[in-house]
Amino acid sequence: KNEVEQSPQNLTAQEGEFITINCSYSVGISALHWLQQHPGGGIVSLFMLSSGKKKHGRLIATINIQEKHSSLHITASHPRDSAVYICAVGAHSNYQLIWGAGTKLIIKP
Amino acid sequence: DGGITQSPKYLFRKEGQNVTLSCEQNLNHDAMYWYRQDPGQGLRLIYYSQIVNDFQKGDIAEGYSVSREKKESFPLTVTSAQKNPTAFYLCASSTSTGMSYGYTFGSGTRLTVV
Repeated sequence: KNEVEQSPQNLTAQEGEFITINCSYSVGISALHWLQQHPGGGIVSLFMLSSGKKKHGRLIATINIQEKHSSLHITASHPRDSAVYICAVGAHSNYQLIWGAGTKLIIKP
Repeated sequence: DGGITQSPKYLFRKEGQNVTLSCEQNLNHDAMYWYRQDPGQGLRLIYYSQIVNDFQKGDIAEGYSVSREKKESFPLTVTSAQKNPTAFYLCASSTSTGMSYGYTFGSGTRLTVV
């Protein structure tokens, strides 16, 4: 079992829908990262969380340390949100990142 | 503003040639990392460095080499010994290796070997 699990693996939705992507982890962490990767493009860091909730525009990230779970929400989704969303955690045991496999999101107009 | 610069964004090389990917940071971060991503897969650690003039192999170091002569720079060389070098390469840096740290990510280099 991977130490960082993302769900769903693939998600297709209509423009305007509320999107939720989940990340569960099994190790003690000091921080969790959400990143975005557009097809054929580079990686953009969206959020770094160690507790609570952060919001940036239409993106909201939450983390529950006790349940070892984080969610990334997109409100009023748009086709330009189509990308792979990646969760990565920094473990307590060492400083290295453990990466999720990513969630491929497609927003149809 | 501080950050990580990876260059170039896209790189094409002929098979059998060595190629060096650049990664520069102006964040005064101690640790730097190189990751590789293959289509449809998660990122995997190639090499990392915690201090200048020191680096360690990650999970997939074969066919790669690095140097850390300056704190700001951590170049990755993809050698001809790397059997399948076409991939997306991501550089990252972090503050101290203690319990509280933060990561910064480059935008990546997409290498295609023809």
